[in-house]
Amino acid sequence: AQSVAQPEDQVNVAEGNPLTVKCTYSVSGNPYLFWYVQYPNRGLQFLLKYITGDNLVKGSYGFEAEFNKSQTSFHLKKPSALVSDSALYFCAVRTLTGANNLFFGTGTRLTVIP
Amino acid sequence: NAGVTQTPKFRILKIGQSMTLQCTQDMNHNYMYWYRQDPGMGLKLIYYSVGAGITDKGEVPNGYNVSRSTTEDFPLRLELAAPSQTSVYFCASSDRQGTEAFFGQGTRLTVV
Repeated sequence: AQSVAQPEDQVNVAEGNPLTVKCTYSVSGNPYLFWYVQYPNRGLQFLLKYITGDNLVKGSYGFEAEFNKSQTSFHLKKPSALVSDSALYFCAVRTLTGANNLFFGTGTRLTVIP
Repeated sequence: NAGVTQTPKFRILKIGQSMTLQCTQDMNHNYMYWYRQDPGMGLKLIYYSVGAGITDKGEVPNGYNVSRSTTEDFPLRLELAAPSQTSVYFCASSDRQGTEAFFGQGTRLTVV
């Protein structure tokens, strides 16, 4: 069965500091991994994805994520946080086999403190 | 190019009433999805479709029905609304497996 875990409900970071939002996954087969961001009263916006290739993927708004197969992790990172990065972040996983579902984690609320 | 459009944005239903949440996309995507988002629970898949005429259940299909008569439209039907269906509903689409999904703005539904 597929699952995604985001172990932190809330992450606080000072503006200008690096940020990390954690995600671990469990799938049978090779994973497709995604990060989405949700601003208040809005739908989810795609940030970045890992399908294959380089383990470090770069996405929108200066975000990047590192795929680690041995640790089954896909942590979201940014070198310098902005107040405008404050939002709800979701990690998601899909596999090539089985139903074409996109499974989401429970979300991590990021607050960047000025 | 509007992307994924959901209507209505907000709705209050009484217990036992029925309604249809509309979703349409103009990107010619084959895959479409309905999710519900409850606080602290992430997004749960209700139903999905891999093309016109093909639908299948997701994780939480009970109390809902869908149809996919065209590539563009994927309405979600609630037949007998219950308080447990109070949630925010999101429709999404993608062009094929492995690509990112595009989401609508959501429908906030309250059942009283």
